[in-house]
Amino acid sequence: DAGITQSPRHKVTETGTPVTLRCHQTENHRYMYWYRQDPGHGLRLIHYSYGVKDTDKGEVSDGYSVSRSKTEDFLLTLESATSSQTSVYFCASQLPGQGSNEQFFGPGTRLTVL
Amino acid sequence: GQSLEQPSEVTAVEGAIVQINCTYQTSGFYGLSWYQQHDGGAPTFLSYNALDGLEEKGRFSSFLSRSDSYGYLLLQELQMKDSASYFCAVSSGGSYIPTFGRGTSLIVHP
Repeated sequence: DAGITQSPRHKVTETGTPVTLRCHQTENHRYMYWYRQDPGHGLRLIHYSYGVKDTDKGEVSDGYSVSRSKTEDFLLTLESATSSQTSVYFCASQLPGQGSNEQFFGPGTRLTVL
Repeated sequence: GQSLEQPSEVTAVEGAIVQINCTYQTSGFYGLSWYQQHDGGAPTFLSYNALDGLEEKGRFSSFLSRSDSYGYLLLQELQMKDSASYFCAVSSGGSYIPTFGRGTSLIVHP
């Protein structure tokens, strides 16, 4: 399995505070993704990256920003957290063009915004 | 845009066979993936179909019909540990980036 970790694993914060979630992968995968998962909605793409300093928006990007300064790290920032951003956040990495289109997911971060 | 439909819940008994269907609407279809997720865990990849037909991987098989915009995941010899959520995901428009369905909760009874 790809080595992909997320930190923190759990976080409780207050409305209006900034929050940064970190994703780290050791497989040299070019593509990385941030998803949020909420009951009844499956996995929804927030932002993705197709290389260092190359990022783009997903379907639910409002209120989130990302940065990727190194291949192995992909950061997700909530500039001013809101209660609607309470969710489980998953990071994933992928090496496209390998035929299987497989994504490798991190263990997730459970974020609660009070 | 893209849309995927899969049942919200399926129940079956241990040892049985169950099929989880996925229909999709998209342009420039590239491939259909399946993921498994246990409660509290991360999604894990099961299979990927880019061409029509059945792909078999042990107890799990996945089928794709591009002309019908339809696929399914077939689980045989069900075990209690197969109780989980199963997501189909479609890649299209020449992109590797998948769009996920809302997931099917599979409940396996003894």
